[in-house]
Amino acid sequence: DQQVKQNSPSLSVQEGRISILNCDYTNSMFDYFLWYKKYPAEGPTFLISISSIKDKNEDGRFTVFLNKSAKHLSLHIVPSQPGDSAVYFCAASARQGGSEKLVFGKGMKLTVNP
Amino acid sequence: NAGVTQTPKFRVLKTGQSMTLLCAQDMNHEYMYWYRQDPGMGLRLIHYSVGEGTTAKGEVPDGYNVSRLKKQNFLLGLESAAPSQTSVYFCASRLAGGVHEQYFGPGTRLTVT
Repeated sequence: DQQVKQNSPSLSVQEGRISILNCDYTNSMFDYFLWYKKYPAEGPTFLISISSIKDKNEDGRFTVFLNKSAKHLSLHIVPSQPGDSAVYFCAASARQGGSEKLVFGKGMKLTVNP
Repeated sequence: NAGVTQTPKFRVLKTGQSMTLLCAQDMNHEYMYWYRQDPGMGLRLIHYSVGEGTTAKGEVPDGYNVSRLKKQNFLLGLESAAPSQTSVYFCASRLAGGVHEQYFGPGTRLTVT
C-alpha cells in the first residue's frame, strides 16, 4: 500500500519554463511534507518543506503548494534551469510508534533542456 | 563539518558473506536512519535510532541488524548477504524535536552475487 505517490516517472521541460512536480498521499495523519532532490551517485538533499497547516511555502525559485482536501501537493520550479535536472522525491512525515518517520514516493526524474 | 559520511562507497559480496556499513555524523543529531533505494521503489526505511543505545525496525528490516553504541555512529549489518540485498544504502540523520528535515549521506552501493 503506497501512501505517497508520484505517478509520473519523468518530466522534461525547456530552460526558463515552469516545472510542476506532483505528489499525492493517502494517509490523513501526515502533518509535514518535504521535497528532496537527488543527483546520480549522491545522497538526497533537502529542498523545501511545508507544514500541513499551510497551503503554500516559497523559497526562491521553488514553491510548494498543499491541497489537504485533495491530499495533493506540488512543487513548482520557476524558472527551470539545466542544473535542476535530477530525481525529485516527495516525502511525508507522520508520528508512528512514538517517533516520526518519513515515507517517500518513488521519485520523478526532471530533465531541463537548454 | 563533514555532515553525514558513509563507509564504504562500494562493495561486492558473495551470497552468505557478512559485512557492516558504517554511518557517521558530526552534527550532534539524535535521530539516525538507514534506507535502501531500489529502482522504481523510492527510499524504504530499514532501521532507525532515536538515540544512543536505541534502535527500532522500519519498513524492511529483515536480514539486517543495527547498532548505535555512540551518538555519532550508526552501523548496519548484513549477517548473511543475499542477492535481494543488492541495493544502494543511504544513511540519514536529523535533530530531535520539531525539525523534520533529514540529512543524507552519499550512499553505499552494494552488490551481492
